[in-house]
Amino acid sequence: SQQGEEDPQALSIQEGENATMNCSYKTSINNLQWYRQNSGRGLVHLILIRSNEREKHSGRLRVTLDTSKKSSSLLITASRAADTASYFCATDAHPTFGSRLTFGEGTQLTVNP
Amino acid sequence: ETGVTQTPRHLVMGMTNKKSLKCEQHLGHNAMYWYKQSAKKPLELMFVYNFKEQTENNSVPSRFSPECPNSSHLFLHLHTLQPEDSALYLCASSQVPGQTNYGYTFGSGTRLTVV
Repeated sequence: SQQGEEDPQALSIQEGENATMNCSYKTSINNLQWYRQNSGRGLVHLILIRSNEREKHSGRLRVTLDTSKKSSSLLITASRAADTASYFCATDAHPTFGSRLTFGEGTQLTVNP
Repeated sequence: ETGVTQTPRHLVMGMTNKKSLKCEQHLGHNAMYWYKQSAKKPLELMFVYNFKEQTENNSVPSRFSPECPNSSHLFLHLHTLQPEDSALYLCASSQVPGQTNYGYTFGSGTRLTVV
């Protein structure tokens, strides 16, 4: 079954507004990561939050993690048209040798100028 | 440029053709991955290589054959594909096998169309 599920599937906002995307997962994790993908391109790693962390910031990005609810959120503040992309959460399940990332279906963010 | 280079960027092939996708990284990473991205579906992990050794084959049909001659290069050999194999194929690498604390670095992908 799919590990990470993003919500909403699509989000359209105006430039300058904040964008919030949510991710839910099912199993214990080592860490959770957010990636961004521009249309037809590869994914770019944005931020990683470990299972013992609750909040992390990087520039205009803020990520929260609630392991009791098995959920995470990504907040992009003061959005720009260039933030238009798909955003994916990925979970690294509880560490075993060769553990790997499992991705959700993504949220398509459109920032209108 | 992320440090992971995939070639070709686009590939159109017939169902009877044989072709190969190439991935190259010079980041000093020791783990490499092939993912398949189809429309409206999550990324699907296909193969994992740690220190050149294949550690996972995620029930991928035998018409996809990976090869990892060294830690910097990864190939995906394709033969007798089906139209439903059309997708974006993404290569990724990570620093230490079994640990993803630094995230994956992805290539730009190969857009494959099977006709």
